[in-house]
Amino acid sequence: AQTVTQSQPEMSVQEAETVTLSCTYDTSESNYYLFWYKQPPSRQMILVIRQEAYKQQNATENRFSVNFQKAAKSFSLKISDSQLGDTAMYFCALQIQGAQKLVFGQGTRLTINP
Amino acid sequence: SAVISQKPSRDICQRGTSLTIQCQVDSQVTMMFWYRQQPGQSLTLIATANQGSEATYESGFVIDKFPISRPNLTFSTLTVSNMSPEDSSIYLCSVEEGQSGYEQYFGPGTRLTVT
Repeated sequence: AQTVTQSQPEMSVQEAETVTLSCTYDTSESNYYLFWYKQPPSRQMILVIRQEAYKQQNATENRFSVNFQKAAKSFSLKISDSQLGDTAMYFCALQIQGAQKLVFGQGTRLTINP
Repeated sequence: SAVISQKPSRDICQRGTSLTIQCQVDSQVTMMFWYRQQPGQSLTLIATANQGSEATYESGFVIDKFPISRPNLTFSTLTVSNMSPEDSSIYLCSVEEGQSGYEQYFGPGTRLTVT
């Protein structure tokens, strides 16, 4: 069975600061994908960034980047130059290749303060 | 990515009744998924719906309680049957697409409250 753990229930930083959200996962599979989703108060789930496990290079999308440590089964999200609009719940998710099912962590509530 | 809409956006229902949630996509997709997000919790997959075949349910979810239809490649419904307060949740549909073929994109969700 696959599990995803987010150990930080809540985080709060000042606007323009950099923040890192932690995620660890467990799977015995070697081929899988990892995702970070954002869910603002509007509750729309938004895909922020994805990482294929076979790629060593960390994914980057504008101000969002990941630190993927496959051996440690760690997948953290770094948000640079944080903005008020980044305030949301952030979910880490794991998908085994070919299985379609997303397994989500419990989420981290991130608040960006002005 | 595909534009996904859900109806209703929210509803308040009495226990013992049923509610059907609709999910519409603006493009044809093979796989559609239904997730449940209980208050303050994460998302849990209910079932996977392929057009032209029976939905595949995850452990803990049964067809009698959550019947799903998938009549074509752009539409699906989820019914929450014989509701109880424990069914109060956000229900989200998602589709699998993207350049890589495995990314899932979500609809806006349906907030259900059962009294």
